[in-house]
Amino acid sequence: RKEVEQDPGPFNVPEGATVAFNCTYSNSASQSFFWYRQDCRKEPKLLMSVYSSGNEDGRFTAQLNRASQYISLLIRDSKLSDSATYLCVVNAWGQGEKLIFGQGTELSVKP
Amino acid sequence: EPEVTQTPSHQVTQMGQEVILRCVPISNHLYFYWYRQILGQKVEFLVSFYNNEISEKSEIFDDQFSVERPDGSNFTLKIRSTKLEDSAMYFCASSVGSGEVTEAFFGQGTRLTVV
Repeated sequence: RKEVEQDPGPFNVPEGATVAFNCTYSNSASQSFFWYRQDCRKEPKLLMSVYSSGNEDGRFTAQLNRASQYISLLIRDSKLSDSATYLCVVNAWGQGEKLIFGQGTELSVKP
Repeated sequence: EPEVTQTPSHQVTQMGQEVILRCVPISNHLYFYWYRQILGQKVEFLVSFYNNEISEKSEIFDDQFSVERPDGSNFTLKIRSTKLEDSAMYFCASSVGSGEVTEAFFGQGTRLTVV
């Protein structure tokens, strides 16, 4: 089983649509969770951290289910500028200082 | 806004040559990292560095690789004898701390092409 597994893409959606990305992780010792976005041939940029209680930042909502080892990202009212690859990222605190990246899910928002 | 900077943005080298990739982490950050991304593949962890020593490394980070913080600002990745399969985008990252606060910020990357 992959350490971090994401929905295969690409997701092609019209502007204004709501889109959800799912992610599962295999290491139950994982403590920190993040969503990054990566534009083509650019560096990953932190979108948001994911907390146990769930958190929202504008049109973006992240949820964490530790029992199921599942993370989600919901984007509401999607914009053309949301087109990117979304990376689910997990850190196993106490087991070394490293981030484990998922393969990424590509999102394409069309006019 | 403080950022991680990397140089060069693109490096072309012949197989067997040594390359040094350079990074200036964010100034108050204590943890430094190198990751790589082969074209079309996921971002992979190489090494983490804290308090002037390696804190963790992956199986990719073999004897051909080394890291150094030669002064108070630079953080370098050296590949001693490059192979074709080392061609990738190399990202440097830094974070304030570890544990719960591990939000890492990435540099723009160095695209390494080994020919």
